[in-house]
Amino acid sequence: ETGVTQTPRHLVMGMTNKKSLKCEQHLGHNAMYWYKQSAKKPLELMFVYSLEERVENNSVPSRFSPECPNSSHLFLHLHTLQPEDSALYLCASSQDWGTYEQYFGPGTRLTVT
Amino acid sequence: DQQVKQNSPSLSVQEGRISILNCDYTNSMFDYFLWYKKYPAEGPTFLISISSIKDKNEDGRFTVFLNKSAKHLSLHIVPSQPGDSAVYFCAAGRGGSEKLVFGKGTKLTVNP
Repeated sequence: ETGVTQTPRHLVMGMTNKKSLKCEQHLGHNAMYWYKQSAKKPLELMFVYSLEERVENNSVPSRFSPECPNSSHLFLHLHTLQPEDSALYLCASSQDWGTYEQYFGPGTRLTVT
Repeated sequence: DQQVKQNSPSLSVQEGRISILNCDYTNSMFDYFLWYKKYPAEGPTFLISISSIKDKNEDGRFTVFLNKSAKHLSLHIVPSQPGDSAVYFCAAGRGGSEKLVFGKGTKLTVNP
């Protein structure tokens, strides 16, 4: 595997479910990001991790809980989501926090029913 | 309040001609700008960037122009190829903040 991978690619969940999105980067980068892309809206930064420490939490509701166990892996734990949380969730990485060139995964298309 | 705007949701050009994608920004503190390309079912891929100390950066068929006084940048693709058909996102960052602010994207279609 090369680059940034994300699983699952598609996820349908009910409002009472708990699920997790997984991201893995094979680039040796030190910073990882979660973005949300809703229909007709720009990409919105959710969380940033640098060397496994969270450095940015962009006013994201607590029903989204990130986890970064090491510099190659990033998770987004989801619980009691709302239908408006349906979106494309993109993971990205960069060499360091502050390096603007970011490398994105293919995304997870999430539908909340 | 949208700080980075791509006012054209779509653009269609003929193969071999020039494609010009435009982006406007409102925050004069932005000092670094990037273009990303996104194919369906894939994540965005970095294409080209420019810092505010330059007004032009070129990489093969892709050239980005920056007009700081107008708070405007553009991406030129010459000659356009059908494989360039994708959604193009403009993004901006500023020193002291590592966040990127993205536009909504412009869907480019290059017709054979």
